[in-house]
Amino acid sequence: EAQVTQNPRYLITVTGKKLTVTCSQNMNHEYMSWYRQDPGLGLRQIYYSMNVEVTDKGDVPEGYKVSRKEKRNFPLILESPSPNQTSLYFCASSKTVTGAVENTIYFGEGSWLTVV
Amino acid sequence: AQSVSQHNHHVILSEAASLELGCNYSYGGTVNLFWYVQYPGQHLQLLLKYFSGDPLVKGIKGFEAEFIKSKFSFNLRKPSVQWSDTAEYFCAVGSSNTGKLIFGQGTTLQVKP
Repeated sequence: EAQVTQNPRYLITVTGKKLTVTCSQNMNHEYMSWYRQDPGLGLRQIYYSMNVEVTDKGDVPEGYKVSRKEKRNFPLILESPSPNQTSLYFCASSKTVTGAVENTIYFGEGSWLTVV
Repeated sequence: AQSVSQHNHHVILSEAASLELGCNYSYGGTVNLFWYVQYPGQHLQLLLKYFSGDPLVKGIKGFEAEFIKSKFSFNLRKPSVQWSDTAEYFCAVGSSNTGKLIFGQGTTLQVKP
């Protein structure tokens, strides 16, 4: 079954304590990305990766890091979380970056992160 | 600047009523358009997408959307809503170059039984 798996699904952490949200896909997709969802703002892209070792900033990259050492994994790293990073985070993947009709974008189930 | 605007933030309908959710976009390249639905506590699911061809696109669960290029619009419609359609709906435009999806603010639909 095609899946994008995120962990943890729910996390409450304190300001400044480094955390990593993992994302893994089982579809051999080249393209992966991270979004955050905030009320009234929809989803905004944080970082994306077009392939292994190829990453780039999205619209709201400040305070986040990513890495893409393997094709299947794309972890999101918050080196020093702050309360304004409290949000719902989604990982997404697709076969390639191009807009082909068959290039479905798959989303993970989301990770609720609260920074106090 | 690329942007997507959804006209209605919160819509309340009775069952069997017809639905139309507005979506306008501003994008300089070839547009790939999407509607996603997010049921309470769940992840985003694709309702339908438009890449080219027939501007009237049919999706899952009886939803359809019409791409009107001259109006930069991609409105979502359903002739008769059900209580189970209660969810948040997102319109998005996709970039063929970066793969990024630009989302609208979302519309919360509440269907009363």
